[in-house]
Amino acid sequence: AQRVTQPEKLLSVFKGAPVELKCNYSYSGSPELFWYVQYSRQRLQLLLRHISRESIKGFTADLNKGETSFHLKKPFAQEEDSAMYYCALSGANNLFFGTGTRLTVIP
Amino acid sequence: GAGVSQSPSNKVTEKGKDVELRCDPISGHTALYWYRQSLGQGLEFLIYFQGNSAPDKSGLPSDRFSAERTGGSVSTLTIQRTQQEDSAVYLCASSYPSAPGEQYFGPGTRLTVT
Repeated sequence: AQRVTQPEKLLSVFKGAPVELKCNYSYSGSPELFWYVQYSRQRLQLLLRHISRESIKGFTADLNKGETSFHLKKPFAQEEDSAMYYCALSGANNLFFGTGTRLTVIP
Repeated sequence: GAGVSQSPSNKVTEKGKDVELRCDPISGHTALYWYRQSLGQGLEFLIYFQGNSAPDKSGLPSDRFSAERTGGSVSTLTIQRTQQEDSAVYLCASSYPSAPGEQYFGPGTRLTVT
């Protein structure tokens, strides 16, 4: 069965410190993984997808099939990164979301 | 252009009443999704529409929940005989069918059942 696990509900880091939001998945096929972000009082939006191997707002995420992980990383956190982050796995007709990690960047 | 819109933004209803939630997807997006976001939970998939195909209803939690999509555009999610456990934020999203993982979300409807 498809499942996405985000083990940390809350994560606090100081401004300028590195940040890593963990995501593990279980999927029998070839996974497509995404990170979505929800800033305060804004709607949920796509941050990045593993296929494009891009860096968005300084964030990157590498798919590790051996560890079934798709952790989101940024070398230097900024205050504007404070938000709720969801890891998602694409199924046949929908996305499977993790329970989310609330990131707080302390000034 | 305009994003996904949902109405109402907030709905308070009494237990046992029926409610209707509306979603207007982005023009040209033939795929439409409903999710439920409960406190402390992730987003729970409810239903998926793609064009004129039969919807994927596999995520609907009970037969009190139903959804329609008229004319391939606007969708309505109906909850009959609401229960307190139905209280949640209901999110609608749309996408191109070729990119199901790249979904555009509406602002949600916060439903409170008293």
